[in-house]
Amino acid sequence: GESVGLHLPTLSVQEGDNSIINCAYSNSASDYFIWYKQESGKGPQFIIDIRSNMDKRQGQRVTVLLNKTVKHLSLQIAATQPGDSAVYFCAETTGANSKLTFGKGITLSVRP
Amino acid sequence: GAVVSQHPSRVICKSGTSVKIECRSLDFQATTMFWYRQFPKQSLMLMATSNEGSKATYEQGVEKDKFLINHASLTLSTLTVTSAHPEDSSFYICSATPPWDIQETQYFGPGTRLLVL
Repeated sequence: GESVGLHLPTLSVQEGDNSIINCAYSNSASDYFIWYKQESGKGPQFIIDIRSNMDKRQGQRVTVLLNKTVKHLSLQIAATQPGDSAVYFCAETTGANSKLTFGKGITLSVRP
Repeated sequence: GAVVSQHPSRVICKSGTSVKIECRSLDFQATTMFWYRQFPKQSLMLMATSNEGSKATYEQGVEKDKFLINHASLTLSTLTVTSAHPEDSSFYICSATPPWDIQETQYFGPGTRLLVL
């Protein structure tokens, strides 16, 4: 069936470095993508989103890139901070009933 | 804006009992709310879509008679785990979309940790 997956289960980065988290999706009908951050014991927190008619969107310290040709989504975090340590999920939807399909999640660990 | 709360934050119950979890949209009205379940080290899995004033829509494999959903008002949806068993122990999370969000982004509650002994 269709699925959203992540390439790496964990990512360890040095504080101050940039982080890149990747996600592959397989449903070509998906037109809206979201990155969520989940800290231990908490619900997912919205980070940034992107529509399929865009290939890049920037936030305060985050950038999401979408490559529809290869069905690839990435989240870039600039100047990674200890507070960025969490599990990151990509999620996709076709818009129908707004149902989200989540990727497996990747743990970002920031070394001081 | 777009604050979703859940109650309780954690609950421990005996096997065979029922547990009710509340999901509230605090600063907006939500005709639709979503219930997810998350096992340790795993992703979120959608259980059901809660619809205000009508029956919930359950995902394949989710027992509607075991996971009762009631969405009686525009700010409250409840999930009742009936005759809970240890395998129902999980992290239950709800989400909702504020009406002003044209992207229909889902905002999540803080989750409820259920432990069935």
